[in-house]
Amino acid sequence: EVQLVESGGGLVQPGGSLRLSCAASGFTFSRYWMHWVRQAPGKGLVWVSRINSDGSSTTYADSVKGRFTISRDNAKNTVYLQMNSLRAEDTAVYYCATPAYSDAFDIWGQGTMVTVSS
Amino acid sequence: SYELTQPPSVSVSPGQTASITCSGDKLGDKYAYWYQQKPGQSPVVVIYQDSKRPSGIPERFSGSKSGNTATLTISGTQAMDEADYYCQAWDSSTVVFGGGTKLTVL
Repeated sequence: EVQLVESGGGLVQPGGSLRLSCAASGFTFSRYWMHWVRQAPGKGLVWVSRINSDGSSTTYADSVKGRFTISRDNAKNTVYLQMNSLRAEDTAVYYCATPAYSDAFDIWGQGTMVTVSS
Repeated sequence: SYELTQPPSVSVSPGQTASITCSGDKLGDKYAYWYQQKPGQSPVVVIYQDSKRPSGIPERFSGSKSGNTATLTISGTQAMDEADYYCQAWDSSTVVFGGGTKLTVL
C-alpha cells in the first residue's frame, strides 16, 4: 500500500524547535520530490517546502525561509522538516505530499499537528 | 507574491451543476490543479493539468480554463461532494494554493 506517515508534531513554546518526519512506503521513495504543506486550524492549505529526489535541491516559502530546513534520507525512505524559531503563526497540521503518479500532489500523509504556544 | 483567488463558498442543489472558479495572474500560462478536502481528512487531487482526471475520480468532476481563470465543474452534484476545494498552481519553483472554496450541497 502506498503510504506517507508523518510524526513528530506536538506542543512547543515560541522560539522553540521541532523536527517532523514523514515515512514513505509502497513506492520508490528515492525517485520523487517530496513536499511539506501546512494548514492552520480552520484555514486553507499553504505550501511550505520541497526537496528533490537526491536531496541536492531545496525550496522554501518566504514565511519559513531561514527557520525551517527540509532534508531526506533515502535509505530510510523518510523526509524531515526541522523547524526552528517557531512562532504562534506556525501552528498548523503539517502534511507531507508527493507527486508520484502525475505532477499533482497525489499522495498525502495524514498530517501531524504542531502547536506553538506558551 | 503570486495569488490564486477562489470564492469562499458555493452552494448547489443535489443533482445540479456546481462551478468553482480560480483566477490568477498569467494562470493561462500555467497548469491548474484541484483538490478536494473533507473535514478531518487529507486533500485528494480531483483534477490535474487543468482538465485531467486521476484514476478513481468520478466522471462528474471536470476541469477547464479560459484565459486566467480555471474552473472546476461538478455535474450531477451529490451530497458526498460537499467539501472544501482548493486550486493550485506553480509559480516559478514554488507552489501556490488558492484560499479554498466551501461547497455546500443543499
